[in-house]
Amino acid sequence: KAGVTQTPRYLIKTRGQQVTLSCSPISGHRSVSWYQQTPGQGLQFLFEYFSETQRNKGNFPGRFSGRQFSNSRSEMNVSTLELGDSALYLCASSLVTGTANYGYTFGSGTRLTVV
Amino acid sequence: GQQLNQSPQSMFIQEGEDVSMNCTSSSIFNTWLWYKQDPGEGPVLLIALYKAGELTSNGRLTAQFGITRKDSFLNISASIPSDVGIYFCAGHPREETSGSRLTFGEGTQLTVNP
Repeated sequence: KAGVTQTPRYLIKTRGQQVTLSCSPISGHRSVSWYQQTPGQGLQFLFEYFSETQRNKGNFPGRFSGRQFSNSRSEMNVSTLELGDSALYLCASSLVTGTANYGYTFGSGTRLTVV
Repeated sequence: GQQLNQSPQSMFIQEGEDVSMNCTSSSIFNTWLWYKQDPGEGPVLLIALYKAGELTSNGRLTAQFGITRKDSFLNISASIPSDVGIYFCAGHPREETSGSRLTFGEGTQLTVNP
């Protein structure tokens, strides 16, 4: 069974640009959560999508947005990139929302570097 | 954002030694999770705890869910070189409004000297 797939694995962008990251969940999983991981702030929750609806949102500026498609694949977008957005972006998928079990599994992440 | 207080931040041990790390929170969590992260990879679940007081083992790993629901610990016995990595605790309040949102500790970097 394929795991959670995140693309691309690595990305270098310039300040002011925008970027779109993709996450394909495990087959059958309907919830996708996104996290930002930095050395200074650790793992911080960005948002969760379930059945194409944003279920929950962390404390990030509006430059961070996401969406989920009918096949449960999710994308997150960061506009007007800042140097501080450099991070490992992780997504996790699970069968349902409202719980941390039911196969809550992380992908390998996308390493974003903003220069 | 809110984080769990995880300690120690780093540990340097000899192969064969036992390791203990813990997490505390000012908030109650109804699920505690322990993850391991290798460089360039996402966190991998080691142990999940769903009931206060629960003690669960997974091979050489043992974790406990604190009675107050505000803390948890992870023990690794007889460490081996492949135990090297960053260990994270995570909590979930299991409330309807929280969705699948996890709150993470700062991580414990474990180094095992052969």
